[in-house]
Amino acid sequence: EVQLVQSGAEVKKPGESLKISCKSSGYSFTTYWIGWVRQMPGKGLEWMGIIYPGDSDARYSPSFQGQVTISADKSVTTAYLQWSSLKASDTAMYYCARPGGSGFYEYFHHWGQGTLVTVSS
Amino acid sequence: EIVLTQSPGTLSLSPGERATLSCRASQTVSSSYLAWYQQRPGQAPRLLIYGASSRATGIPDRFSGSGSGTDFTLTISRLEPEDFAVYYCQQYGSSPRTFGQGTKVEIK
Repeated sequence: EVQLVQSGAEVKKPGESLKISCKSSGYSFTTYWIGWVRQMPGKGLEWMGIIYPGDSDARYSPSFQGQVTISADKSVTTAYLQWSSLKASDTAMYYCARPGGSGFYEYFHHWGQGTLVTVSS
Repeated sequence: EIVLTQSPGTLSLSPGERATLSCRASQTVSSSYLAWYQQRPGQAPRLLIYGASSRATGIPDRFSGSGSGTDFTLTISRLEPEDFAVYYCQQYGSSPRTFGQGTKVEIK
């Protein structure tokens, strides 16, 4: 069974750094892309980017390029989303998700439970 | 970037009624790479439909998807109480992938 288990809620101050995680199990971690989706409070879903853990090839939406870094560690089958300097506007729920197939152009079939990030002074 | 516009923004219906949700793309969605997701309050999104019309595993057959090119539709034939939720379309045929803004199906 495919499982994506995300790290717990975070409360941070503006300017702080943060790295949240998505632990994968139940499949071959290195052969499927894994992505991140943002949902700001009361708003819709936004596709942030994806990474192929096999070679750490990461692709970003232009809206998020340079704002976040997506990475993966094969040794612990975990994907990460990190910020170097948080802003209040980064307050949101963040979901990791895995496509149904191993191709590049795929829908998200499996979803993590979400990590709530709150940035407030 | 392909912009997806969903309509209506809110659909007010009673259990047992039929729901028809629209998703219109600003450009052709290649290979009908269009998916629909359901999101209930406090939950992660759940895949309903992929490839415009294929139901995901375990999705009831009251959910159906149709369309191609730039116009897509999600139909719920008879609304059950658990179907009142927000529905999103997503294109995954070009980069960046994009979502529609969502349609909320609420109890009338």
